[in-house]
Amino acid sequence: GENVEQHPSTLSVQEGDSAVIKCTYSDSASNYFPWYKQELGKRPQLIIDIRSNVGEKKDQRIAVTLNKTAKHFSLHITETQPEDSAVYFCAVGQAGTALIFGKGTTLSVSS
Amino acid sequence: GAVVSQHPSWVICKSGTSVKIECRSLDFQATTMFWYRQFPKQSLMLMATSNEGSKATYEQGVEKDKFLINHASLTLSTLTVTSAHPEDSSFYICSARDRVAGFTDTQYFGPGTRLTVL
Repeated sequence: GENVEQHPSTLSVQEGDSAVIKCTYSDSASNYFPWYKQELGKRPQLIIDIRSNVGEKKDQRIAVTLNKTAKHFSLHITETQPEDSAVYFCAVGQAGTALIFGKGTTLSVSS
Repeated sequence: GAVVSQHPSWVICKSGTSVKIECRSLDFQATTMFWYRQFPKQSLMLMATSNEGSKATYEQGVEKDKFLINHASLTLSTLTVTSAHPEDSSFYICSARDRVAGFTDTQYFGPGTRLTVL
């Protein structure tokens, strides 16, 4: 089955700095790669996703890059703000199947 | 659009009792719903895939007789934790996939149910 590795497990940055979280996966058939933000006690919120026909996608301060050959994808957050502090999960899936989640990254942005 | 609700949002029960959690897609039809469990400071672990009108598919290590899943309609799936024990205490989250969405991979998550078994 699919195996998703996420790094780092914790990340601390200063406000205004950039943050990068990386995930690798094992199943070359996977073609959907979403990123979720989860605040304590709340549901995961989709913040950005990318599909395998695209190499990069950007939405304001958030971007995701995908390298299908190497089977890894990354979340980039620029100009971080304290409200970006949360746990971020990458996930991997394909049409018709459940998402498999990485172990999560706790991002702390200090002002 | 694409709202998923769960009920109850939290429940406390005694060991040995059964608890039912409902997951509803409010503004779309979902042929497939997923149930996840999340322990504190851990990731979401897939428990089972629930398909409308058929038996659920359970992940390895998940006891189907303990975690009963019913998906009787296109907008409702239920998870019943039978004979709950303290180790079943967790955050249970469902997600649903829009049947007519252009991309069949996008999932929408419910708000979760916090189960505490005493």
